[in-house]
Amino acid sequence: DAGITQSPRYKITETGRQVTLMCHQTWSHSYMFWYRQDLGHGLRLIYYSAAADITDKGEVPDGYVVSRSKTENFPLTLESATRSQTSVYFCASRNRATGELFFGEGSRLTVL
Amino acid sequence: GQQVMQIPQYQHVQEGEDFTTYCNSSTTLSNIQWYKQRPGGHPVFLIQLVKSGEVKKQKRLTFQFGEAKKNSSLHITATQTTDVGTYFCAGDFGNEKLTFGTGTRLTIIP
Repeated sequence: DAGITQSPRYKITETGRQVTLMCHQTWSHSYMFWYRQDLGHGLRLIYYSAAADITDKGEVPDGYVVSRSKTENFPLTLESATRSQTSVYFCASRNRATGELFFGEGSRLTVL
Repeated sequence: GQQVMQIPQYQHVQEGEDFTTYCNSSTTLSNIQWYKQRPGGHPVFLIQLVKSGEVKKQKRLTFQFGEAKKNSSLHITATQTTDVGTYFCAGDFGNEKLTFGTGTRLTIIP
C-alpha cells in the first residue's frame, strides 16, 4: 500500500549508542522531513531533504545525521545517543502540488 | 528566527461549547496549514490557507488567515468528543519548510 512508514516504532537504547530510525515513502515525494515532538515544544524540524542527495539542517540538527541516497528513503541517525534525545520522532513527506505533509506513525525513542 | 506562536497551550471545554486556537508569526507567511493529532497518533492535515483574508469552512471548523498573512485561527463550533486532540498550525515562510506552532491540546468534558 502507498504511504509513509517508520521503523522501529519503539526503541530503547543506552547513552552513547548509535541509533538509526528508518523512513520510507512510496509516493516519490521530493521533500522529506524529520521532526521531533516533545511536550511543550510541539514539532521541531531536525533535518529536511529536497531530493536525493540534497539535505539541510532544520531547527535542532545537533547530534543527528541524515542521508538520502534514494528518493523513497530518509534515515535519521543518532551517532551517540543522549538522554535529551528521548523523544517521539516523526518522518514526513510533502506533496508539493497540495502542500500537504504526510506523517509516518512515529518512532518513540527512549535513551537510558 | 522564523517562529510561529500558538495559544492557548491547553483548552478544556464542555461538550457543545465552542473552541478557538490562534497562531501568530512575526513575519509574513507564504501560507499556513492546520493539522490535528489525536492522542497517541500522528499529525493529520486539515487545511491550507494561502490568500490574504481567506476563510475556509469544513463542517463545524472555520479557518481564517489574516489580512497581513501573519496570523490565523481555527474555530470549532459546538465541540464533540471526536474533536479531542492537539491542533497545530504550521507556517510556510516560502522555503518549503513548515514551522509548527506548539499546539493547542483540546479536551472535552462530556
